[in-house]
Amino acid sequence: GAGVSQSPSNKVTEKGKDVELRCDPISGHTALYWYRQSLGQGLEFLIYFQGNSAPDKSGLPSDRFSAERTGGSVSTLTIQRTQQEDSAVYLCASSLRGGGARETQYFGPGTRLLVL
Amino acid sequence: GQSLEQPSEVTAVEGAIVQINCTYQTSGFYGLSWYQQHDGGAPTFLSYNALDGLEETGRFSSFLSRSDSYGYLLLQELQMKDSASYFCAYSNYQLIWGAGTKLIIKP
Repeated sequence: GAGVSQSPSNKVTEKGKDVELRCDPISGHTALYWYRQSLGQGLEFLIYFQGNSAPDKSGLPSDRFSAERTGGSVSTLTIQRTQQEDSAVYLCASSLRGGGARETQYFGPGTRLLVL
Repeated sequence: GQSLEQPSEVTAVEGAIVQINCTYQTSGFYGLSWYQQHDGGAPTFLSYNALDGLEETGRFSSFLSRSDSYGYLLLQELQMKDSASYFCAYSNYQLIWGAGTKLIIKP
């Protein structure tokens, strides 16, 4: 596609429910990143995929968070038993090969999650 | 540990020049990136410095000094549309981000 897309753009859920957030990276990009951004804060790294594998899951804040990527393309971030502190904007980015700062990361518009 | 420090807010006048500083502390370093984020928008890439010195891209320049663990973003001929948050970030394969500097531009 022309850019990174994410869905839904907004999600309101009740505490304790599970949510799934989807990211479609730029076609051909092997690296995919999930970040979380709270209001007025910087980005918090969650997880990184190189192809379908996730060499670094160190940023996932708890075992309620999981992510997968299939076919080297679409990724899904799942939050189980959501808590109010999970409320944030969840941003997905992709890059061509995964060189970190050496490569431009292209961001999607984000999913704004609100847990009531 | 790993961290980046940048001012939380900077105010400047339209048409002026502003410098946003970033200091970092890390055990491994592969270069410093700068991203711009408008309110409600996604971050967009501005520049990347792998080596010491100044990189210029139009009205924006970025500087890095690896020996001082320091970099800055320089914005010239400020326009109102430059009002945004600016983030420095570094990494090996993923990005570690500063908390961002909100740039406020006054007419």
